[in-house]
Amino acid sequence: DTGVSQDPRHKITKRGQNVTFRCDPISEHNRLYWYRQTLGQGPEFLTYFQNEAQLEKSRLLSDRFSAERPKGSFSTLEIQRTEQGDSAMYLCASSFGGGAGNEQFFGPGTRLTVL
Amino acid sequence: GDSVTQMEGPVTLSEEAFLTINCTYTATGYPSLFWYVQYPGEGLQLLLKATKADDKGSNKGFEATYRKETTSFHLEKGSVQVSDSAVYFCALSDPLTGANSKLTFGKGITLSVRP
Repeated sequence: DTGVSQDPRHKITKRGQNVTFRCDPISEHNRLYWYRQTLGQGPEFLTYFQNEAQLEKSRLLSDRFSAERPKGSFSTLEIQRTEQGDSAMYLCASSFGGGAGNEQFFGPGTRLTVL
Repeated sequence: GDSVTQMEGPVTLSEEAFLTINCTYTATGYPSLFWYVQYPGEGLQLLLKATKADDKGSNKGFEATYRKETTSFHLEKGSVQVSDSAVYFCALSDPLTGANSKLTFGKGITLSVRP
């Protein structure tokens, strides 16, 4: 079990550039989540996939954000025309099955800095 | 909407001291409650959970009891160690706000334990 992995771990970009992050969940997990964490705050939910279907998007996810999970395996999160307010840690988590009590396993995160 | 409120931090204790970290919640339904921990340089990991009222979650000497009457899930440990130094997040998953089991987190609290 290699756990949830995320790539890159750090990304520095200039305002207006596009960035893409990748998340590889635990292999048998059918659910995949993206969260965003800013300094001094807890993670905030962005979006969720069950297999390849994106089933919910938070109002935090503006039109500049898009996420995909082709074939229900890895997922990508793209931010277009980055803004300084996008600077944050982007966390990916995965779980198997449903139910409010299910444990989500988190990756190490991608820290984005927008200059 | 759902929310989680944690006591203000940071908290600094001496080794072997008693620890209490307060957490209260607001939820539409009957949520599952979690404590996640983030050790320095590592990703979030589940510490313990409780899925119904009066349940007690426990792990690594930490305990928390799901109190529906006070909407609380306070984290306790009888004797902390230096290795417990980390950021602790209280979180909930509310089945009535969606079957996706997304987590709503508190702001987190940093615990530092002195030798």
